[in-house]
Amino acid sequence: DAGVTQSPTHLIKTRGQQVTLRCSPKSGHDTVSWYQQALGQGPQFIFQYYEEEERQRGNFPDRFSGHQFPNYSSELNVNALLLGDSALYLCASSLPGAPRGAFFGQGTRLTVV
Amino acid sequence: KQEVTQIPAALSVPEGENLVLNCSFTDSAIYNLQWFRQDPGKGLTSLLLIQSSQREQTSGRLNASLDKSSGRSTLYIAASQPGDSATYLCAVNGQNFVFGPGTRLSVLP
Repeated sequence: DAGVTQSPTHLIKTRGQQVTLRCSPKSGHDTVSWYQQALGQGPQFIFQYYEEEERQRGNFPDRFSGHQFPNYSSELNVNALLLGDSALYLCASSLPGAPRGAFFGQGTRLTVV
Repeated sequence: KQEVTQIPAALSVPEGENLVLNCSFTDSAIYNLQWFRQDPGKGLTSLLLIQSSQREQTSGRLNASLDKSSGRSTLYIAASQPGDSATYLCAVNGQNFVFGPGTRLSVLP
């Protein structure tokens, strides 16, 4: 079991550009959540996908959008990048309600210059 | 709105000490609480998961307790080692995971 895999591991983008991050969940998990972790802070919830639909959303602007595919993998898209979007983006997979907790990937380090 | 705090923010101890990390949360309506370890620039590694009906969980030198009514959890690390140096995060699972800011632990040889 490969666990949760994210790609790419590092990314540098210019302010105003768009970026797509990818996540493959742990085998058997159908729920994917995305988190943003700024330096020195705890992760902040962006949104959660289940059955290819966004089920919950945190306090993030519409520039942040996502998608879940039939194989449960997911993408996070961020449009019109700002310098403040620079962070570690973490993907977590779980079963609905996370009865056995969540498993996290290694993250994608996004730097906006 | 769920809020999670962790005390202390940072901790530096000599090798071999037993230590306690604290986590507090404001809304007791949770499914479970999970403790994670994060090494610099890396993702999160799950350490312990406590269901809302449980009082504690143990794994090796780690023991985590949960008092849902008072909104508190503690992570106890016995006989600390330099390899334990990392940031420790607690997360409460209600509608989604809400994380604390973490405790940055440094264990000195």
